[in-house]
Amino acid sequence: QSVLTQPPSVSGAPGQRISISCTGSSSNIGSNYEVHWYQQLPGTGPKLLIYGNNKRPSGVPDRFSGSKSGTSASLGITGLQAEDEADYYCQSYDSKLDVVFGGGTKLTVL
Amino acid sequence: QVTLRESGPALVKPTQTLTLTCTFSGFSLSTSAMCVSWIRQSPGKALEWLALIDWDDDKYYSTSLKTRLTISRDTSKNQVVLTMTNMDPVDTATYYCARTLYGDFYSDFWGQGTLVTVSS
Repeated sequence: QSVLTQPPSVSGAPGQRISISCTGSSSNIGSNYEVHWYQQLPGTGPKLLIYGNNKRPSGVPDRFSGSKSGTSASLGITGLQAEDEADYYCQSYDSKLDVVFGGGTKLTVL
Repeated sequence: QVTLRESGPALVKPTQTLTLTCTFSGFSLSTSAMCVSWIRQSPGKALEWLALIDWDDDKYYSTSLKTRLTISRDTSKNQVVLTMTNMDPVDTATYYCARTLYGDFYSDFWGQGTLVTVSS
């Protein structure tokens, strides 16, 4: 049972927009700790996609965006492409002094 | 450029102690706000954070695993070592090390991971 809750799967057609939610609590996201997102392509290690709630590292397309409100955060992907098919994980920090991850969301591009 | 590489045994027996080494380049663990984390991923499962060591040699551990984990560093060799005692088959996972930024605790560079299987 992950501390941060994500939907197990989402899907969308090429060109569409999808969003992935990440729900926490008052001890992590709700305590103003920032949320970060990682993309894990099949058979590879995670790659930082969004940091500090809504910032993109160099090289990440602006099709990817992040937002946070209250005890939840969301990753948005516009103009869905086949290469976006991957697992996505949110991550934050918990006041119990743990770095915490979501359970991951598998994105399928139809 | 920043690179990290994990090394260690691919197979350990139950009750044994696992020792993993992360060798990195492209940054200094002596630089303020620099940290190295260990994260694992059991087959088909989510990422699980294990431990972190920072530029000041402070160490942080997963609450659920802290009694089994020890993280240490050798700044002269650019290495971070993780030991996990009393290994069990449920500890079978790919173990990653990653450069982590203190404060926000996000990991911007990851190693390719090393698969550790626990089996007799």
